[in-house]
Formats: sequence, C-alpha cells, structure tokens
Amino acid sequence: AQSVSQHNHHVILSEAASLELGCNYSYGGTVNLFWYVQYPGQHLQLLLKYFSGDPLVKGIKGFEAEFIKSKFSFNLRKPSVQWSDTAEYFCAVNAYSGGYQKVTFGIGTKLQVIP
Amino acid sequence: GAVVSQHPSRVICKSGTSVKIECRSLDFQATTMFWYRQFPKQSLMLMATSNEGSKATYEQGVEKDKFLINHASLTLSTLTVTSAHPEDSSFYICSARDVDLVRYEQYFGPGTRLTVT
Repeated sequence: AQSVSQHNHHVILSEAASLELGCNYSYGGTVNLFWYVQYPGQHLQLLLKYFSGDPLVKGIKGFEAEFIKSKFSFNLRKPSVQWSDTAEYFCAVNAYSGGYQKVTFGIGTKLQVIP
Repeated sequence: GAVVSQHPSRVICKSGTSVKIECRSLDFQATTMFWYRQFPKQSLMLMATSNEGSKATYEQGVEKDKFLINHASLTLSTLTVTSAHPEDSSFYICSARDVDLVRYEQYFGPGTRLTVT
C-alpha cells in the first residue's frame, strides 16, 4: 500500500526565511504528486502538481517543488515566506492500486510565519 | 472555476439519527467524487470513492452500511451517516475530480463538521 510521509509537523519561520517541507512516498509505480494548502478557516486548495516532464514544478504564490524519483521525494520550497503563507500544507500522491487510482495524503505540516 | 460545495457546513444530531451531507461540483462535471474524514491532528482519510451511476468503492475498515454514498448525477454526491454515534463525530470532506481524466486533480469542498450528541 502506498504511504506518504511528511516529516515536519509544525514549522515556525520568520518572514523572509526560506522554506522547505519534506515529503516522501512509498510506491514503486507511476505516481502523480500534489501539494495542497489549507489556509485558516478555508478548504484545501491545490498549490502545485507534478504529472510528468520537468521534475521541478512551479505553483502559485512563489512555491515550487522538486520530484526526485530516486529518493521518492517531492519537497516543497519557497525562497522567502510571508506572513500570509501561514497555513497547513499537505502532500498527496495519486497512484494506481488494484486497478483503480487512489490519492493518499500526508499528515500535513502546519507552517506558522512570524512577522 | 472548479468549485465544490458541501451542505451543511455544520450539523449536530442526536445519537441514533441519520445525517445526510451533500457534495456538489458547481461549475464542472465530476465523474468521480471522494469522501474523506479528518480527525484532529491527523491527515485526511479516504473513506470511499464514488463514481456516477455506480456503487461506491469503500476503503478497508469503512462500513458501507453505515456510510451510505450515492452519486446520482455528475454534479452531486451524498454521504448519509446512518444511526450516528458520538464516535462518528468528525470533519467530513468531499472532493470531486473533473471529467478530464488527464488532469487527475481533485477539487475539495469546505467540509462538514458533524457532532453527534
């Protein structure tokens, strides 16, 4: 069965600091990878996604993520965070399993940006 | 575009009663909808995958007779929690996948907070 690990459960950064949130998955087949963000009081929104091609994908609000197949990783990065980036971030993997697709989410990382 | 709504946003019910939660894709057609449950400080747990016009596929450990899912149209799926108990209290989130299968994106609803007293 596929699984997704997010190693940082709670991250606190000052504004302008750089961010990297780790995401590792376990699945040997073809995957699609996603990062979702949930701002306080709001629902999940897609931040960025990887299907194929360039392993470095750019999303909204200056976020990017790099798919490293050999490491089964899809880490999220942002060079300079803002207070408005305070939110919970979920990594997700869509994989084919047992004849149907299934998306598995990581436990989430709460990011708190201090002004 | 790609908006998913859920109704109600919050519901409180008594133990033993049934509660229906609606999930609608407002501006796109969704052949597949997903129902998740989120516990405090935990990730989203997939409960079932619902395909329009066919029976839902439930994840292991999810009681299909307790969590009835109906996907009657390309824009509506419902989750009915039957004979609710306090342990069913949780945050239920639906998502919908666009008919454009290449995209594999899911669009999430705002969630429904169920409290069973």
